[in-house]
Amino acid sequence: QKEVEQNSGPLSVPEGAIASLNCTYSDRGSQSFFWYRQYSGKSPELIMFIYSNGDKEDGRFTAQLNKASQYVSLLIRDSQPSDSATYLCAVKEGGSEKLVFGKGTKLTVNP
Amino acid sequence: GAGVSQSPSNKVTEKGKDVELRCDPISGHTALYWYRQSLGQGLEFLIYFQGNSAPDKSGLPSDRFSAERTGGSVSTLTIQRTQQEDSAVYLCASSLTSGSLETQYFGPGTRLLVL
Repeated sequence: QKEVEQNSGPLSVPEGAIASLNCTYSDRGSQSFFWYRQYSGKSPELIMFIYSNGDKEDGRFTAQLNKASQYVSLLIRDSQPSDSATYLCAVKEGGSEKLVFGKGTKLTVNP
Repeated sequence: GAGVSQSPSNKVTEKGKDVELRCDPISGHTALYWYRQSLGQGLEFLIYFQGNSAPDKSGLPSDRFSAERTGGSVSTLTIQRTQQEDSAVYLCASSLTSGSLETQYFGPGTRLLVL
């Protein structure tokens, strides 16, 4: 069974701090990796995607991928209360179109 | 442009009844996906369409579940003889095309409650 694992949290950080969200995956053939944000009662919203080893930055968000360690992370700098949500890690496996999701990490940013 | 739309937004039905859930993908998107999110569970893949064909139906939980797509656009997910364990949020997503580099954009979901 191919799996995507996330720390369920909750993760609580003060406003302005860096929030670090982690994800590991079991399928070495995985090729693309996505971070979605899901507010309570809403549908997932794409935050970042990453395909290559290393870092990818977009505004306050940085995605990091290490394929050798089968590890992907999301850093949120200068966290804001509006960042409070559940963050879903999703992996697209090689040869497949489906996304395999982790169960999500709930982040709370305290004012 | 408009995003993925789904209808109805909420559906309450009685055990044993059939339900149909509809998805309108983003205009021009050829790939369409159905997922299910149950309370306490992650998002689970159900089925994927490329055009009107469904190359991957591996996530459909039983033969009570079926889906079709017509005209390369609208898709309908049908659940026959609903059971209480079918209660979940059913999410549709679309992408411009298929491929490992394509990102999927989600609709607002249909919340299904089976009494």
